[in-house]
Amino acid sequence: AQSVSQHNHHVILSEAASLELGCNYSYGGTVNLFWYVQYPGQHLQLLLKYFSGDPLVKGIKGFEAEFIKSKFSFNLRKPSVQWSDTAEYFCAVKGGANNLFFGTGTRLTVIP
Amino acid sequence: SAVISQKPSRDICQRGTSLTIQCQVDSQVTMMFWYRQQPGQSLTLIATANQGSEATYESGFVIDKFPISRPNLTFSTLTVSNMSPEDSSIYLCSVVLADRSYEQYFGPGTRLTVT
Repeated sequence: AQSVSQHNHHVILSEAASLELGCNYSYGGTVNLFWYVQYPGQHLQLLLKYFSGDPLVKGIKGFEAEFIKSKFSFNLRKPSVQWSDTAEYFCAVKGGANNLFFGTGTRLTVIP
Repeated sequence: SAVISQKPSRDICQRGTSLTIQCQVDSQVTMMFWYRQQPGQSLTLIATANQGSEATYESGFVIDKFPISRPNLTFSTLTVSNMSPEDSSIYLCSVVLADRSYEQYFGPGTRLTVT
C-alpha cells in the first residue's frame, strides 16, 4: 500500500538558515513524487515534482528535492529560508489511478 | 496551470442537513478528485469523480454519505449528507489537466463547520 511519512511536524528556523524536510515513501510501482506548499490562508500549490531522470529536482522559489531510491526518500531542501517561506509543506506520492497519497505535513515557521 | 473555483468557500451547517459543494475548472481536465483535510491533519482522498458514471470511492467513504456528480469535463459536485460535527473539514477539489498528466492542481477548498 502507498504511504508517505514526514518526520518533522513543526520546524522553526531563523531567516537565512538552511532547511531540510524529510519525506519517506512506500510504493511498489513507478514512483512519482511531489512537494506541495500551503501558505497561510491560501490553497495548495505545487512546489516541485519528480517523475524520472535526474534525481535532483528544482522547484519554484529556490526549493529543491533529491530522490534517493535506496532510501525511499524525497527530502526537500532550501539553502537559505525567508520569512515568506512560512507555510505548511506536504510530500505526496502518486498512486496507480493518478490520485495522491499525502504525508501528514510539516509546518515551517521562519523567524525574521 | 488551471483556475479552479469552489463554491461555497465556507459554510456553517446544522447537524442532519446536507451541503453540496461545486468545483469548476477553466480548462479541459482528464481527472477530478475530492479530498478532505480535517483540522490539523493531512489530505485524505474521498473519491475520484468520473465523468458520466459513478465515482470511485476510497476505503471508508461511501456514496450515500458523499454523493458525487460529474456531468462534464470541467464541473463536479460533492454533497456531504446528513452532516455531523465530525464532518467539519476543508473539502478540496483537485484536477489533472489534459496536457499535464502527472500534476494535480487544487482548488481553494470549502471550509465546512457543522454545529
